[in-house]
Amino acid sequence: QQQVKQSPQSLIVQKGGISIINCAYENTAFDYFPWYQQFPGKGPALLIAIRPDVSEKKEGRFTISFNKSAKQFSLHIMDSQPGDSATYFCAASGGNTPLVFGKGTRLSVIA
Amino acid sequence: GAGVSQSPRYKVTKRGQDVALRCDPISGHVSLYWYRQALGQGPEFLTYFNYEAQQDKSGLPNDRFSAERPEGSISTLTIQRTEQRDSAMYRCASSSLVVGSTEAFFGQGTRLTVV
Repeated sequence: QQQVKQSPQSLIVQKGGISIINCAYENTAFDYFPWYQQFPGKGPALLIAIRPDVSEKKEGRFTISFNKSAKQFSLHIMDSQPGDSATYFCAASGGNTPLVFGKGTRLSVIA
Repeated sequence: GAGVSQSPRYKVTKRGQDVALRCDPISGHVSLYWYRQALGQGPEFLTYFNYEAQQDKSGLPNDRFSAERPEGSISTLTIQRTEQRDSAMYRCASSSLVVGSTEAFFGQGTRLTVV
């Protein structure tokens, strides 16, 4: 079964807008929730990560919001730029489970 | 090296042949992971090692797939009697802590095409 469910599959946002990508998980043993960014032809690279002891983490234009009771977390990209166009993956790990990934969201930021 | 290195970058093989994919993790990284990524999909877990010990191989699709990391550094993923459905990008990642809750660094991957 899919351990991390990600939506939407694709997203088009205008330059300067807010991009929001959501993920939901089932395994309550997960204790690490990263977001990875992947450009064409490259491997996934860590963008930002959160642990369940906080509800929000912000790094520059990127924010993770975490809702432990709902078992959901989301990535917000503020002031989205064309250079942010990429595929974004949420992931989770914890207990004895290594990183499991969502299916990805293809983000296109248009001018 | 500075990052996770995988070789070869591209591999075309005939159906029925065996292939070996190599991963050289970041120096000193304890954990090493193998993933398979289909086009337009997220990485799918195959197996992982802490040091030389294979901790979890539940993601290996069948017994044609195997992996080893004999000295706790370089790892090899071997696919025997390849089939067309094995065609995919195979990615290796490594991380610095034994427990999985830390950043995993990915290599560029090996694009395997079985013809």
